[in-house]
Amino acid sequence: KNEVEQSPQNLTAQEGEFITINCSYSVGISALHWLQQHPGGGIVSLFMLSSGKKKHGRLIATINIQEKHSSLHITASHPRDSAVYICAVGYGGATNKLIFGTGTLLAVQP
Amino acid sequence: DAGVIQSPRHEVTEMGQEVTLRCKLISGHNSLFWYRQTMMRGLELLIYFNNNVPIDDSGMPEDRFSAKMPNASFSTLKIQPSEPRDSAVYFCASSFPRDTFSAFFGQGTRLTVV
Repeated sequence: KNEVEQSPQNLTAQEGEFITINCSYSVGISALHWLQQHPGGGIVSLFMLSSGKKKHGRLIATINIQEKHSSLHITASHPRDSAVYICAVGYGGATNKLIFGTGTLLAVQP
Repeated sequence: DAGVIQSPRHEVTEMGQEVTLRCKLISGHNSLFWYRQTMMRGLELLIYFNNNVPIDDSGMPEDRFSAKMPNASFSTLKIQPSEPRDSAVYFCASSFPRDTFSAFFGQGTRLTVV
């Protein structure tokens, strides 16, 4: 069983739709990251959160530590949001290691 | 700051050749991570350094892979000899100390071993 699981693996949406991507993890973590990887391959860190909720523009990330679950929401989706969204969990102590989910491929159609 | 800089962006090499990938960290960061991304396995952590010291190299696939951090701002990942199954995109990322951790990724090096 993967330590970080994302769902769905693939998602196709129409422009303007509200999108939710889910991430569940089984390890104790210090922080959870949402990353975006565009078709060109570059990876951008969207959010790092360890509790509650964060919002940036049309993106919202939430985390429930007790349930070991996080969601990434995109409001008013746009074709430029098409990318792979990757959930990664970090566990601390003396380390900053990340364990990655397999990613969710999002395609937003005009 | 220009961010994490990797070179080369693309590398095509023949099986058996030595390959060296390079990474320049963001100034002030003291943690450095090398990742590999393939279609089959997604993103995997290969090795990471704190303050130039390798902390965990358990993700390094085998002895053909080695990584160094000769100074606080630069790292190399070397594969010798390379094999076709090493073909992947290799990312490096750097971060601040653990209490303000956030990941800054380079653009990646796409390696093709033929």
